[in-house]
Amino acid sequence: SQKIEQNSEALNIQEGKTATLTCNYTNYSPAYLQWYRQDPGRGPVFLLLIRENEKEKRKERLKVTFDTTLKQSLFHITASQPADSATYLCALLNTGTASKLTFGTGTRLQVTL
Amino acid sequence: NAGVTQTPKFQVLKTGQSMTLQCAQDMNHNSMYWYRQDPGMGLRLIYYSASEGTTDKGEVPNGYNVSRLNKREFSLRLESAAPSQTSVYFCASTQSSYNSPLHFGNGTRLTVT
Repeated sequence: SQKIEQNSEALNIQEGKTATLTCNYTNYSPAYLQWYRQDPGRGPVFLLLIRENEKEKRKERLKVTFDTTLKQSLFHITASQPADSATYLCALLNTGTASKLTFGTGTRLQVTL
Repeated sequence: NAGVTQTPKFQVLKTGQSMTLQCAQDMNHNSMYWYRQDPGMGLRLIYYSASEGTTDKGEVPNGYNVSRLNKREFSLRLESAAPSQTSVYFCASTQSSYNSPLHFGNGTRLTVT
């Protein structure tokens, strides 16, 4: 069966450290993968998109990698701040299934002082 | 810009009652989506509309109907609410159904007793 797995346990890190979140998928051939941030009581907000032929994408303190051999994407936040505390969702579009973006369950990140 | 607006924000229904969740976007987007979010399940696609005049089923369409009223508006109807439909419902839109990020509303929290 198709699965998108993110660590369901919260990730707790200290301010200033790099947070790394993992997204693994099974039985998908993603055309691209997206990362979203969700704050409590709010809808997800788009952060980054990485295509199947790209290895890495950066935006300010954010970095995403995409390894289609390992079937994994890593999401990094460098120099973490308490304001980065939120739930982060990965989502992918399977090749040939236009319009159907499928989401993982998300990982909650808590950045402490 | 308001983005994606969902109404109502909260709703309590009794089993068997009907209601319509409203969604409107002001970004001139072609595609619109309805997702539900449950603890431990992530966001699951209920229905989507790739363009005005078209609608298609997503992963969990049973018990729901949709109407793409015009390019701006996409409504979700529960004809006979069931406790299993207790969830947070998110509407989203995007310019094209491929390779572009989703813009989400802030959700409708529905409780069916």
